[in-house]
Amino acid sequence: GAGVSQSPSNKVTEKGKDVELRCDPISGHTALYWYRQRLGQGLEFLIYFQGNSAPDKSGLPSDRFSAERTGESVSTLTIQRTQQEDSAVYLCASSLVKAGAGELFFGEGSRLTVL
Amino acid sequence: DQQVKQNSPSLSVQEGRISILNCDYTNSMFDYFLWYKKYPAEGPTFLISISSIKDKNEDGRFTVFLNKSAKHLSLHIVPSQPGDSAVYFCAASEGGTSYGKLTFGQGTILTVHP
Repeated sequence: GAGVSQSPSNKVTEKGKDVELRCDPISGHTALYWYRQRLGQGLEFLIYFQGNSAPDKSGLPSDRFSAERTGESVSTLTIQRTQQEDSAVYLCASSLVKAGAGELFFGEGSRLTVL
Repeated sequence: DQQVKQNSPSLSVQEGRISILNCDYTNSMFDYFLWYKKYPAEGPTFLISISSIKDKNEDGRFTVFLNKSAKHLSLHIVPSQPGDSAVYFCAASEGGTSYGKLTFGQGTILTVHP
């Protein structure tokens, strides 16, 4: 597709349930990022994939959060045993490695609400 | 510990006038600075960036200024248009292998009145 695609666009779940969020990056983009935005706050970095290198997981808030990426394509962010504080918009972004630093292309996000 | 701060939650400007959005940072390792614009229900879109070796970068109606000694950057929009109404995020990166790992400010809601 032309842009970064994320699904689902909205997810409502009960506390304690697991959720999976999916991201399809722009074709040819080797770098993929997950960020989240909680209400009234800026975006927080979660995790970064670059080619076959080990992902940079330094932003994951707890071990309930994990992410995988298949080659240089689809990525899945999994949140286990969701808590109310996990409610946020989860944004995926991709970029070319040699692009201007930090020029990320974001998807529209997946809004997660944990009841 | 907020390393990037946008102290003005909102800004209201008349069409045709200048909009100035401000951003302060604390991390001396930041090497690259960016502004993103976000419309409701959409992802942020890249607007303009500046490397720490420069103090100004201009792209059409948008100019970003960097004052490294003050750890301050600003985005100027001239002339402002109603379509510029959006949330503007300032972001910074330490560069190198971390270039895409951005630290964002909280955002400033810009409203441009016709």
